[in-house]
Amino acid sequence: GENVEQHPSTLSVQEGDSAVIKCTYSDSASNYFPWYKQELGKRPQLIIDIRSNMDKRQGQRVTVLLNKTVKHLSLQIAATQPGDSAVYFCAEGDSSYKLIFGSGTRLLVRP
Amino acid sequence: ETGVTQSPTHLIKTRGQQVTLRCSSQSGHNTVSWYQQALGQGPQFIFQYYREEENGRGNFPPRFSGLQFPNYSSELNVNALELDDSALYLCASSLEGGITEAFFGQGTRLTVV
Repeated sequence: GENVEQHPSTLSVQEGDSAVIKCTYSDSASNYFPWYKQELGKRPQLIIDIRSNMDKRQGQRVTVLLNKTVKHLSLQIAATQPGDSAVYFCAEGDSSYKLIFGSGTRLLVRP
Repeated sequence: ETGVTQSPTHLIKTRGQQVTLRCSSQSGHNTVSWYQQALGQGPQFIFQYYREEENGRGNFPPRFSGLQFPNYSSELNVNALELDDSALYLCASSLEGGITEAFFGQGTRLTVV
């Protein structure tokens, strides 16, 4: 069945360090992989996404890697700031537009 | 360009009651998806509406139903509420024509007592 495993569930890093979150997905038909940031009491907001025709995508301080062979995703946040503290979700999507989310990683950036 | 808006923001209902949640999609978006997010969990797909038709459903019982209107706004209806239905209900709108970014509303926090 469709399943996205995400780890770690919690991550604490020192300000300025990098944070890495990993996901494993199950559906080989999935071709869209967004990452969402959700601050406490707020809506999930897209921070970066990657499609299956790519294996790496970079944004401002964020990099996402996709290994389709082993169905692994990872998100790296460089030079973390206290404002990066939030819950991060990976997700997989297919042509039906349905998104299957991981269980989330609570990131705490210590000043 | 207006964002996705949901109403109400908070709601308390009694077990067995019925509830209707509303979502206005982002301007230009004709696809609305509904998700249930239990505390400490990721959002779970309930169903999606595309051009007023249900376009896919997750593992939710028939007492979860929905509608999409000609202006692409949407409703989620839940009958015979159970305590486990307490959650944040999120709607997300997206563009037609392939996999594109889903824009989420701020959610409706439903508490069933």
